[in-house]
Amino acid sequence: NAGVTQTPKFQVLKTGQSMTLQCAQDMNHNSMYWYRQDPGMGLRLIYYSASEGTTDKGEVPNGYNVSRLNKREFSLRLESAAPSQTSVYFCASSGLTQGGEKLFFGSGTQLSVL
Amino acid sequence: GENVEQHPSTLSVQEGDSAVIKCTYSDSASNYFPWYKQELGKRPQLIIDIRSNVGEKKDQRIAVTLNKTAKHFSLHITETQPEDSAVYFCAPGNSGGYQKVTFGIGTKLQVIP
Repeated sequence: NAGVTQTPKFQVLKTGQSMTLQCAQDMNHNSMYWYRQDPGMGLRLIYYSASEGTTDKGEVPNGYNVSRLNKREFSLRLESAAPSQTSVYFCASSGLTQGGEKLFFGSGTQLSVL
Repeated sequence: GENVEQHPSTLSVQEGDSAVIKCTYSDSASNYFPWYKQELGKRPQLIIDIRSNVGEKKDQRIAVTLNKTAKHFSLHITETQPEDSAVYFCAPGNSGGYQKVTFGIGTKLQVIP
């Protein structure tokens, strides 16, 4: 049981290049998320998917696209990377526990755009 | 959407002292109140949570208290240790089904040995 697996761990891009961040969970969770984390800004939601086949914008969606490929996988695409997208990206999934929607995070992707 | 505020943004305490972090939220429908801990270079992880039908929950040295009337909940860490140094996030939500989760901006706790 790996939890949430995110790849790659590190990536350097040049301005204008594209890339896709991959995320997969094996906990049979319905909901998945992409967050970005910048110093002093906390965790900001980029996109989320409440269930397979649905995606919605979060707080900072500009410059990103997502695909909920199936229940397990949720990918984040940067079509034309910009220096402002330099950040740490976390994928997460959540499932209802006895208490509520508990989030499980991947290990993160450190992305630098030059 | 939910507006979430955390205070303080940074906190330094001597080892062995207590630390308290407060989270204020806006959505009166929120009924699930978790705290996440993120150590340097690591992923955030849930450390404690509480539902609105409970006023306080304790797990060893950490506790969470809830004031639903005033719409705030707090993380209490007693007998702090260097390994408590981390960034702590609150993320109030609704246990009744899926909800977009909004995090507080985080509190950086430094425990000085």
